Order: sequence, then structure tokens, then C-alpha cells
Amino acid sequence: GENVEQHPSTLSVQEGDSAVIKCTYSDSASNYFPWYKQELGKRPQLIIDIRSNVGEKKDQRIAVTLNKTAKHFSLHITETQPEDSAVYFCAASKTFGNEKLTFGTGTRLTIIP
Amino acid sequence: ETGVTQTPRHLVMGMTNKKSLKCEQHLGHNAMYWYKQSAKKPLELMFVYSLEERVENNSVPSRFSPECPNSSHLFLHLHTLQPEDSALYLCASSLGGSGNTIYFGEGSWLTVV
Repeated sequence: GENVEQHPSTLSVQEGDSAVIKCTYSDSASNYFPWYKQELGKRPQLIIDIRSNVGEKKDQRIAVTLNKTAKHFSLHITETQPEDSAVYFCAASKTFGNEKLTFGTGTRLTIIP
Repeated sequence: ETGVTQTPRHLVMGMTNKKSLKCEQHLGHNAMYWYKQSAKKPLELMFVYSLEERVENNSVPSRFSPECPNSSHLFLHLHTLQPEDSALYLCASSLGGSGNTIYFGEGSWLTVV
């Protein structure tokens, strides 16, 4: 089955700096890669996703890049703000349904004011 | 967002108890999921129901028993659990099919004593 590895497990950055979280996946058939943000005591929520037919997607301060050859994808957050502090999860799945969505172990991001 | 509602939010139960977790979605989705979230582990998919039929059961012990009476409701029946089953249990829903966003509930914190 699919295996998703996520690094780092914890990350602290100064407010205003950029944060990068990286994930690798094992199944070359995976083609859907969402990122979820989970604030303390709250539910995970989708913040951005990318499909394998594109290499990069951006939404305001958040961007995701995908390297299919190397089987890795990354989340980039620019101009970080205190409200970006949360746990971020990457995930991967194949075309046919979310039931095969495999999550990474999560990255606890702390923004230092 | 309150599209996926879980009750109870917190549950403490003894190892010989029988209890149930309830999930309700108001998003018109046709797929529902149970995930287990433990400290320092990836989100673990437990069960998937699509159009009220179970389509995934990831080797979950029989002391966890899901029930999906209709596309809006999902239960997780708990019986003779172990302390290591203590975790956050997240319900989620989505439109079935390729890469549709999964929406999570707030979760039920379960402590087995």
C-alpha cells in the first residue's frame, strides 16, 4: 500500500519568514495530494491540494509543489503569521476515491512573534 | 463550518463498557469515514462507507463496529476496548469519487480506563 513520510515533525519560524514542509510518497500511481491544517483542538481542514497533472499550485500565501519523478511534494507558506501555527498533514491517494487517502504523520508549525 | 457533527465530544469508558460514537453530516455527501488520530501517528483510516455500503475496513479489531443506517449518519459502536484505543476519533464525509475534499468533524476524544 501507499506510504507517506512527512518532515519535519516540528518546525518553528519567525513571523514573516517562510515555512516549508516536505512529504514523500511510495506509490507512483498516487495522483491526488491534499494538505490539511489542524489547529489545536479543532478538526483538520483542507487548505490546498494538487493533482498530478500540474507541478505547482498557489493560493495567496500558500503554495504546493509536486515532483512526480522524485515522488515528493511540498507545502510552502510565505510571510507567516501567528494564525499559521497548527499541525499540517499531507496526504496522497489514487484517482479512484478518497478511501485510499493516506496521511503523513504531521508537522507541528509554530510561528514565533 | 458545522457540516459534520460528532457526539459526544468527550467520552470516558471502562474496558467492559459498551458505548457508541455518532456522526451526522449535512453536506449532501455520499461517503463517510471513521479515522483514528493518536499522538505522533498518522491519521489512520478505519472504515469507509460509500452509498451506505462498507467499502473499506483496514484490519480494525472487531471491538470497533461501524454502522451506517443512511448517507447522513454514521456510528461507531465500541465494546470491550483497551487502554491503547484511547485516541481522537474523527468522522469525515465527502462526495464519492476522485479527489473530492474530505470534510472532518470536530472529533470525539475517547479515553479508555
